[in-house]
Amino acid sequence: DAGITQSPRHKVTETGTPVTLRCHQTENHRYMYWYRQDPGHGLRLIHYSYGVKDTDKGEVSDGYSVSRSKTEDFLLTLESATSSQTSVYFCAIGGGSGGTDTQYFGPGTRLTVL
Amino acid sequence: QQQVKQSPQSLIVQKGGISIINCAYENTAFDYFPWYQQFPGKGPALLIAIRPDVSEKKEGRFTISFNKSAKQFSLHIMDSQPGDSATYFCAASGVGNAGNMLTFGGGTRLMVKP
Repeated sequence: DAGITQSPRHKVTETGTPVTLRCHQTENHRYMYWYRQDPGHGLRLIHYSYGVKDTDKGEVSDGYSVSRSKTEDFLLTLESATSSQTSVYFCAIGGGSGGTDTQYFGPGTRLTVL
Repeated sequence: QQQVKQSPQSLIVQKGGISIINCAYENTAFDYFPWYQQFPGKGPALLIAIRPDVSEKKEGRFTISFNKSAKQFSLHIMDSQPGDSATYFCAASGVGNAGNMLTFGGGTRLMVKP
């Protein structure tokens, strides 16, 4: 998985609780991304980062926030989890030697909101 | 709105046959078209990618065909094997895209029967 780890790998939480997912890379890639994957929707971009402390919104950013205080770490926070945020979340990195367009994905985090 | 439309949603092919998955895009600014392969419980992995300056790219049994005027591209898997059974996603990104963001199709679940 190209030096990308995600934690936790599985999480079950209750509606209204805050949740933070972590993505850690050892590849020193400039760009980091958070996607969610739902049946029939492919992967949809939530937020992305183009450098330390530089982030921007993606297609489905409502209800999510992100932070990147170090090159290697990108955090995704659900401030108050809802059942509609039950999904599989993937982190990706890009901007390395494979070319700025190439993205490499982590193993994913399965989140269930009850 | 879905800027990349992928078909079919599912595909069953006999071992040794040809698997064909099609994608159509709307944004003429797209200039990078990758295909990702995903096995259950894993993150998507880059399979093959093409830019619009060529009409075809081949890597082993996998070929991308690209039709710029029709705004369509397709993945052909020759001599399909049971080990190719996975979900395949097409994607696109474009010029002026500050974060090199990918827009994904909805995915195709391929099953190759022995």
